[in-house]
Amino acid sequence: AQSVAQPEDQVNVAEGNPLTVKCTYSVSGNPYLFWYVQYPNRGLQFLLKYITGDNLVKGSYGFEAEFNKSQTSFHLKKPSALVSDSALYFCAVRDQSTGGFKTIFGAGTRLFVKA
Amino acid sequence: DTAVSQTPKYLVTQMGNDKSIKCEQNLGHDTMYWYKQDSKKFLKIMFSYNNKELIINETVPNRFSPKSPDKAHLNLHINSLELGDSAVYFCASSQGPIEGYGYTFGSGTRLTVV
Repeated sequence: AQSVAQPEDQVNVAEGNPLTVKCTYSVSGNPYLFWYVQYPNRGLQFLLKYITGDNLVKGSYGFEAEFNKSQTSFHLKKPSALVSDSALYFCAVRDQSTGGFKTIFGAGTRLFVKA
Repeated sequence: DTAVSQTPKYLVTQMGNDKSIKCEQNLGHDTMYWYKQDSKKFLKIMFSYNNKELIINETVPNRFSPKSPDKAHLNLHINSLELGDSAVYFCASSQGPIEGYGYTFGSGTRLTVV
C-alpha cells in the first residue's frame, strides 16, 4: 500500500533561517510525490511535485524539495523562512494502484516562523 | 474568477437532517474529488470521479451520495446527518489521473452537526 509519513507535528523556525519539513514515503513502483500548503480556513494549494528527473525540484514561493530514493524521503525546504510561510504543510503520494485516481496525504506538519 | 468553488462555505444543521454541498470547477479538468478533513486536519479521500463516472468510493457510508451531472460539477448529498459527520469537506479537481497533475482545491465547506 502507498503511504506517506510526516514525522513532525510541528516545526518552529526563526525568520531568515532555513527550514525543512520532513516526509518519508512507501510506494510500490515509481513514486509520484507532492507538497501542498494550507493556510487557515483555506483549501490546500499545490506547491511542487516530483515525478521523474532531477532530485531537487523547485516550486512556488521559493520552496524546493529533495527526492532521496535510498532514504525514501521527500523533504520540503526553503533557504530563508518568512513569517508568512507559517501554515500547515502536507506531503502526498499518488496511489498508482488506483490508476492514479487517489492521492494519499500525510497527517500534516504545522510550520511556525517566528519574527 | 474562482477555479474550484464550493457552496455553502459553512453549514450548521441538526442530526438526522439531509444536506447537500455543491462544487463547480471552471478549469476544464476531467477529474473531481471529495475529501474530508477531520478536526485533527487529517485528509481522507471520499470519492473520485472522472468524466462524470464514479471511480473511487473509499468505503464511505451510503448516507453520502455524490452526483456529477457534468464533468464541471460534483455535488455531495448527505442523508441522516450524524455528529461524526462534522468536518471540513473539500472538493478538488485535476486534469486527469495522470501522475504529473496536482490538485486544485476549493476553499472547503465546514459542516457542523448539532
